Amino acid sequence: AQSVTQPDIHITVSEGASLELRCNYSYGATPYLFWYVQSPGQGLQLLLKYFSGDTLVQGIKGFEAEFKRSQSSFNLRKPSVHWSDAAEYFCAVGGTHGNQFYFGTGTSLTVIP
Amino acid sequence: EPEVTQTPSHQVTQMGQEVILRCVPISNHLYFYWYRQILGQKVEFLVSFYNNEISEKSEIFDDQFSVERPDGSNFTLKIRSTKLEDSAMYFCASSETGLGGVPPGTQYFGPGTRLTVL
Repeated sequence: AQSVTQPDIHITVSEGASLELRCNYSYGATPYLFWYVQSPGQGLQLLLKYFSGDTLVQGIKGFEAEFKRSQSSFNLRKPSVHWSDAAEYFCAVGGTHGNQFYFGTGTSLTVIP
Repeated sequence: EPEVTQTPSHQVTQMGQEVILRCVPISNHLYFYWYRQILGQKVEFLVSFYNNEISEKSEIFDDQFSVERPDGSNFTLKIRSTKLEDSAMYFCASSETGLGGVPPGTQYFGPGTRLTVL
């Protein structure tokens, strides 16, 4: 079955600290992986995506993610968090089993001064 | 930058009433989707639409739901007789190609419509 697990429901970090949000997936074919961010009152904004090739992908706003096939993971990282990064982050997987995305439950990020 | 838009941002309705949620996908996109997120739960796929027909649908998308592309720009989701459990945020998305395309299609999401059924 296709699924995404985001083990951390809520994370709090200090501004300027590094960040890692975890994502594990289960997908029965070649996975395509995505991270989206949702600020209050906003839609889901694409941060980055992985289809193939280099397993370290760069996204917008200084985010990056690394695909690790052996661990079925696609963790999101940022070296130095800004207050404006406070939002809900969603990992999603899709692939050749159709066009639908499977989302995780999201991780809520709080940034403290 | 082109974006997906949705109206209304918030819809309140009485149980048993029909609602239509509206979306304007990105103009050169060919694939359209509806997802929903019940408060505190995952974003769930409802349906995908391509070439004027449903290409996939989930178990959630039962006979109470329908989708339509009434003109060249709008994409609508209709819920015929709303239930309390239909209360959720509904997201529209669009993509240039499907996930089987080259390159695979990235889905771009609108801001959502919050549906409250009383």
